[in-house]
Amino acid sequence: SQQGEEDPQALSIQEGENATMNCSYKTSINNLQWYRQNSGRGLVHLILIRSNEREKHSGRLRVTLDTSKKSSSLLITASRAADTASYFCATDSLGGAQKLVFGQGTRLTINP
Amino acid sequence: EAQVTQNPRYLITVTGKKLTVTCSQNMNHEYMSWYRQDPGLGLRQIYYSMNVEVTDKGDVPEGYKVSRKEKRNFPLILESPSPNQTSLYFCASSTTSGGNYRETQYFGPGTRLLVL
Repeated sequence: SQQGEEDPQALSIQEGENATMNCSYKTSINNLQWYRQNSGRGLVHLILIRSNEREKHSGRLRVTLDTSKKSSSLLITASRAADTASYFCATDSLGGAQKLVFGQGTRLTINP
Repeated sequence: EAQVTQNPRYLITVTGKKLTVTCSQNMNHEYMSWYRQDPGLGLRQIYYSMNVEVTDKGDVPEGYKVSRKEKRNFPLILESPSPNQTSLYFCASSTTSGGNYRETQYFGPGTRLLVL
């Protein structure tokens, strides 16, 4: 079963704008991760936030985690055409099996 | 260069003809995993391995086999492929951090399989 659910499924914005994607999950987690996938290619790890963290930054990426609402958001600031990709959240459930569970992803398109 | 490689990258085959997709990593990672990606279903884990000779089922193991005889290799075997196994397959690896393998995973480039 899918643990993470991304919202929206697709997002189209102008270059330079900020993009926000959300992820909701169902069970308690050790950590939540965000990955990027360019069309048909392998996933690339972007950032990991642990359950005891509320916010994390990496370059133009900002991730927040609200464990009380079981949700996370990924903000990409000052978007660029190269940010066009699908973005997935992945959760590592507390006490769960040795695996990450991925959501279905948000397809982000940056228009020049 | 640290990487996960998969071969072949593209494969067209017929129902019932056994095939193997290879996966190799050069990062000395203990943990390796296979996923399939299908439209509308996201990534689903097929099998994973926490170390040599240690493998376990993921969410969708039916119709697949794996082996982990060496640390660097984790082949995916389809003994009798069927059309519903047409998919995009990814291998991934990671190392342990305080006993948790479920942190940064490194993905291969993918293998696109079509079963006729």
